[in-house]
Amino acid sequence: AQSVTQLDSHVSVSEGTPVLLRCNYSSSYSPSLFWYVQHPNKGLQLLLKYTSAATLVKGINGFEAEFKKSETSFHLTKPSAHMSDAAEYFCVVTSGAGNNRKLIWGLGTSLAVNP
Amino acid sequence: DAGITQSPRHKVTETGTPVTLRCHQTENHRYMYWYRQDPGHGLRLIHYSYGVKDTDKGEVSDGYSVSRSKTEDFLLTLESATSSQTSVYFCATDSLTNNEQFFGPGTRLTVL
Repeated sequence: AQSVTQLDSHVSVSEGTPVLLRCNYSSSYSPSLFWYVQHPNKGLQLLLKYTSAATLVKGINGFEAEFKKSETSFHLTKPSAHMSDAAEYFCVVTSGAGNNRKLIWGLGTSLAVNP
Repeated sequence: DAGITQSPRHKVTETGTPVTLRCHQTENHRYMYWYRQDPGHGLRLIHYSYGVKDTDKGEVSDGYSVSRSKTEDFLLTLESATSSQTSVYFCATDSLTNNEQFFGPGTRLTVL
């Protein structure tokens, strides 16, 4: 069965320093993987997605993630944090196919950015 | 933006009353989903639909039912609301072509 684990429930960084949000997945086949972001009291926005093309995926707002099959990881990074990056981030993996295609969500990582 | 709207956006109701949440999309996406979001649980799938009149249960379907009579509309019904169903509910659609889900703005439901 597919599953996803976000290794940190809270991450705090200073503005201008790198961001690393960690995600490990479990899948019996080659999955599609996503990172979504949710700003306070807002909806969910897709940051980036991996769908078996390039292993290094670039997303919006300077974020990127690298798919590492050997480590079953899909960590999200950004070289320099901005105050506006403070939000909840979700790592997501696909499950099933056809009519049973669903997304499995991690529990989220809350990112705080300190001035 | 996949043109997904949810109504109502906020609702307060009392235990035991029926509640229906509506999701409307304008993109003709075949797949639609209802999630609930609670602190510490992330998003959990309630029900989903893979076509008109074709629906299936998700991981937290107890106490909820759905209907999809038209491609563009996916209704979530709480037959008899309980306080444990206080949550934020999100609707999503999936185009499959782009291999991603698009989300509505959410409905905040409070059951007193």
